[in-house]
Formats: sequence, C-alpha cells, structure tokens
Amino acid sequence: QQQVKQSPQSLIVQKGGISIINCAYENTAFDYFPWYQQFPGKGPALLIAIRPDVSEKKEGRFTISFNKSAKQFSLHIMDSQPGDSATYFCAALPGGSEKLVFGKGTKLTVNP
Amino acid sequence: DSGVTQTPKHLITATGQRVTLRCSPRSGDLSVYWYQQSLDQGLQFLIQYYNGEERAKGNILERFSAQQFPDLHSELNLSSLELGDSALYFCASSVGGSTYNEQFFGPGTRLTVL
Repeated sequence: QQQVKQSPQSLIVQKGGISIINCAYENTAFDYFPWYQQFPGKGPALLIAIRPDVSEKKEGRFTISFNKSAKQFSLHIMDSQPGDSATYFCAALPGGSEKLVFGKGTKLTVNP
Repeated sequence: DSGVTQTPKHLITATGQRVTLRCSPRSGDLSVYWYQQSLDQGLQFLIQYYNGEERAKGNILERFSAQQFPDLHSELNLSSLELGDSALYFCASSVGGSTYNEQFFGPGTRLTVL
C-alpha cells in the first residue's frame, strides 16, 4: 500500500502557539520523508525532510519527529506565526523509487 | 521564485480537446517532474524525465504523455480531455536524477475542462 495518511485536514492556531501535523504510513519500504509548504497560488516548496535513521530533525522553528516502530511522523511548528498560514503536505519515498507519495494536505491558519 | 517557469498559467478548454503544458526547469537542473493536484486526489506524481530520458512513471493516464527536449524544457500533453482532468499541473526540477535531490516546483498551470 503506497498511501500516506495525513491529519488533521485543517488546523487553526493562535500566534505563538504550536502547530502539529501528523502523518502515518504502512509501507515499510519508505525511506525518505519530506514536508512541503504551499502558499495559495504557488507551487509546493520543500520545508524539511528526514530519513528513518534519526528520530528528530530540527530546522529553526520547524521540527520533524519520526517514530519508525509506529510508522508515524509529524511536523511541529513552534511559535507559529501568521506568515506560516499555508497548506502543508507530508510525503514519503520508497527506497529505490522516484515516486513521491503525498498526504492529502493540512491547511494551517495562524490567527494574529 | 523557484526558478521553474510554467506556461500557460491558466488554460480553459472543452472535453475531447488536446492541450500542451510547458515547463522550463531551473538553470542547471537535469530532472523534470510532473505532478497533478486536484481536490479529491491531492498531489500525484505523474512522470519524471532526466536529461531527456524517462526515469520514472507514476499514475499517468495513457491519454497523457510527456517529453523532455535537448534544451531540457519539458512538455506535458493531455489529450481526449475529460471533466475529471481539471486540476493544477505542477512541474518541478532538480539538479540530479534522484528524488532525494530537492525538487523546486513551478507556479503551476490551472487546467479547466468544460
């Protein structure tokens, strides 16, 4: 099964709060997990990515947490800002493949 | 601005017609990827070309075809269009042939089939 299940579908957070988006997968062949950020009218842009050999990766206010045994990974946005309001996609890539599989996306709204 | 350009920005056409979407990758990038984004299916990988050769194929319909030219620009051809083909079509490029290389997405072409 090539699916990546993403939740929630939408998320509203107050400025300064923590935004958490979760993804789950079944295919244990996935070995690369990127997150993309998409603003209205724009294409997705790579935000941060992780490999399954680490449990956490942090870049600025963005952190990926990875739980290999549970086959879950999540994006945490600390000190969320109105400028973070966008749609976020998790994705996964099976090893040896070039076919990225995307979650359905989470629309994040950060209220001022 | 990602450096990837796509034309046209919008396209409105009728069922049964054929359209061509064009993509120019970032300077120096050899790989081009095509994706379809729709409300019900989300973002789906269609096809990848690397330096003129097809590298990987995803959920691309037989009515769709693509190619990458010697100058590395790419075209996605959609024929016998159906209402369900209405979507945003994104092109992305990367420097190498592997999907582990960061992909830079263009602004997309919005296709509306009436």
